[in-house]
This record gives sequence, C-alpha cells and structure tokens, in this order.
Amino acid sequence: KQEVTQIPAALSVPEGENLVLNCSFTDSAIYNLQWFRQDPGKGLTSLLLIQSSQREQTSGRLNASLDKSSGRSTLYIAASQPGDSATYLCACYGGSQGNLIFGKGTKLSVKP
Amino acid sequence: EADIYQTPRYLVIGTGKKITLECSQTMGHDKMYWYQQDPGMELHLIHYSYGVNSTEKGDLSSESTVSRIRTEHFPLTLESARPSHTSQYLCASSETRTRGTDTQYFGPGTRLTVL
Repeated sequence: KQEVTQIPAALSVPEGENLVLNCSFTDSAIYNLQWFRQDPGKGLTSLLLIQSSQREQTSGRLNASLDKSSGRSTLYIAASQPGDSATYLCACYGGSQGNLIFGKGTKLSVKP
Repeated sequence: EADIYQTPRYLVIGTGKKITLECSQTMGHDKMYWYQQDPGMELHLIHYSYGVNSTEKGDLSSESTVSRIRTEHFPLTLESARPSHTSQYLCASSETRTRGTDTQYFGPGTRLTVL
C-alpha cells in the first residue's frame, strides 16, 4: 500500500531564503509524482508534475526532483516570498485503484 | 487556468438533512473525483468517475453517493447528514491522457459543518 510522508509538517523562513521541502513514498512503482499548492480554505493548484522516467522539473523559482529508487522527491523554492506562504502537498499514484495518494503537506510561512 | 466549480462554498446544516454538493467543469474532462480532507490531514479519495454513467468508490469508505449523468457534472449526495460528515470536500477533474502525464485540476472546495 502506497504511503506518502512529508517533512517537515511546518516551516517558517524569512523572505529571500532558499528552501527545500521533502516528500517520501513507500512504493517506487509510480506513474508520476506531483506537487500541489493549497491556500487556506481553497482547493489545490498543480505546481509541477514529474513523470516516472524524469529526474526533475522546473517552473520559475520552483524545482522538483524525483529519485524513484530511494522513494524521495524534493521541492526547491528559490528566493522565497511572502506570497509563497501556503501548504505544499506531494502526491503520487497508488492505492487499490491506482489513484493519487497524498501526503499531509508542509505548511510554509515566509515572513517579510 | 482550470475551470472547475463547486457550490456551495460553505454549508452549515442540521443532523438528518439530505444534502447535495455540486461540482461542474467546463473543460470536457472525462475523469472526475471527490476527495475528503479534514484539517491538517491528507486528502482521501471517496469517489471517482471515468465518464458518463461510470462511478466508483475510492480508497476511503464514505456514506455519500455520486452520479455522472453529464460529462461536466458530478454531484455528491448525503442522504442523512451526521456530525461525522463535517469536513472539506474537494472536487477534481483530469483529461484521459497517457498514464503518468495527466494532472488533476481542483475546485475551491465545500466546507461542510453538520450540527
């Protein structure tokens, strides 16, 4: 059974810092791994999708890496801004029907 | 920008009432999903659909039911609401694409409180 774990659960950094969010998964037989952003009281916004054959994806200040063999992914945020404050969720395919399995997320706070 | 809508955004209702949470998308996506999320916890899939007249139960057992009569519409119904149903319900949709390349687009969610 696929399990997704995110560390840390919460993170507070000053504006301008580079930071790394971690995600680990137990079953390496994944089709892809996705990172989402969730703002308070709102739905999820897809940030990056890494296919199982890829090692990383980049979008602006965000870079996500994938290491299937070790069951790990990282989301790197460069030059953090207060607008980056949100909960970041990692998800990959698993479960009995092969649907997305989510981690609990990392709540990021970027202080001005 | 994804176009997926949920109504109502917030609902406070008494025990025993029947409720329907609406979800609609204008992207023509075949696949649609309902997730349940408690505060600080992960999303759990409760229902999904591969297309019209297709509905399946997700990984988390739920007393709710769904229907898919039209491609764009995927409502969720609770016949008799209970306090244990208090949660946030998120609807999502995705295209039918090569497995591994499809991403899900989420609605804003409905926060349900059952008194």
